[in-house]
Amino acid sequence: EDQVTQSPEALRLQEGESSSLNCSYTVSGLRGLFWYRQDPGKGPEFLFTLYSAGEEKEKERLKATLTKKESFLHITAPKPEDSATYLCAVQAADSWGKLQFGAGTQVVVTP
Amino acid sequence: NAGVMQNPRHLVRRRGQEARLRCSPMKGHSHVYWYRQLPEEGLKFMVYLQKENIIDESGMPKERFSAEFPKEGPSILRIQQVVRGDSAAYFCASSHSTGTGDEKLFFGSGTQLSVL
Repeated sequence: EDQVTQSPEALRLQEGESSSLNCSYTVSGLRGLFWYRQDPGKGPEFLFTLYSAGEEKEKERLKATLTKKESFLHITAPKPEDSATYLCAVQAADSWGKLQFGAGTQVVVTP
Repeated sequence: NAGVMQNPRHLVRRRGQEARLRCSPMKGHSHVYWYRQLPEEGLKFMVYLQKENIIDESGMPKERFSAEFPKEGPSILRIQQVVRGDSAAYFCASSHSTGTGDEKLFFGSGTQLSVL
C-alpha cells in the first residue's frame, strides 16, 4: 500500500532561520511527487511536482529535492508569510489523479 | 480568473439529513476530484470524475455517498443520512489532463460540513 510520512509534524522557526522538511514515501512506481502549501481555512496551493530521483525545483525561498525514497522541502531564510502547513503527496504509476497525501508539516515563522 | 469554486463554504446538518456539496472546476478543466480532510488527518482521496463518468471511486464509502459530474453544471458530492463522523472539510480539485498522467490539481477552498 502506498504510504507518505512527513516529518516533523510541526516546526517553529525564527525569521531567517533556514530548515528542511522531510517526506518519506513508499509507492508502487512513482508517477510524481507533489508539494502543496495549505493556509488555515483554505485549499492546498500547488508548489512543485518532481518526477525522478535527482530532480530539484525552486520557487522563491523554497527548494524541493527528490530521491528514490524521500523528498525534502528546503526553506531558505524564511519570512513570516511562509507560515503554513506544507503537504507532500505521491501519485502512483497506475493511478490517474489519485494523490496519496501525508499528514503535513505545520510551519510557523516568527519575526 | 476564477479558480475552483466550491459552495457552500460552511454547511450544518442534523443527523439523518442530506448534504449536497457543489464544485465548479476551473475554466477549461474537465476532470474533477473530491478529497476529504478529517480533523488531525491528511487529505484522503474519495473520487475522480470526468464529464458524465466516474473514473475512480475507490475512496468513496460504499454507502450513503455518491458523486456526479453532469454534462452541464457543477459536480455534486451527495451524502445521505449524515452522521457525526461525516463532519470534515471536503475539498474539490480540478485538472486539465494532458493525457500523460501527471495532472496538476488545483484545489478549491473547501466545504466545511458540520453534523449536529
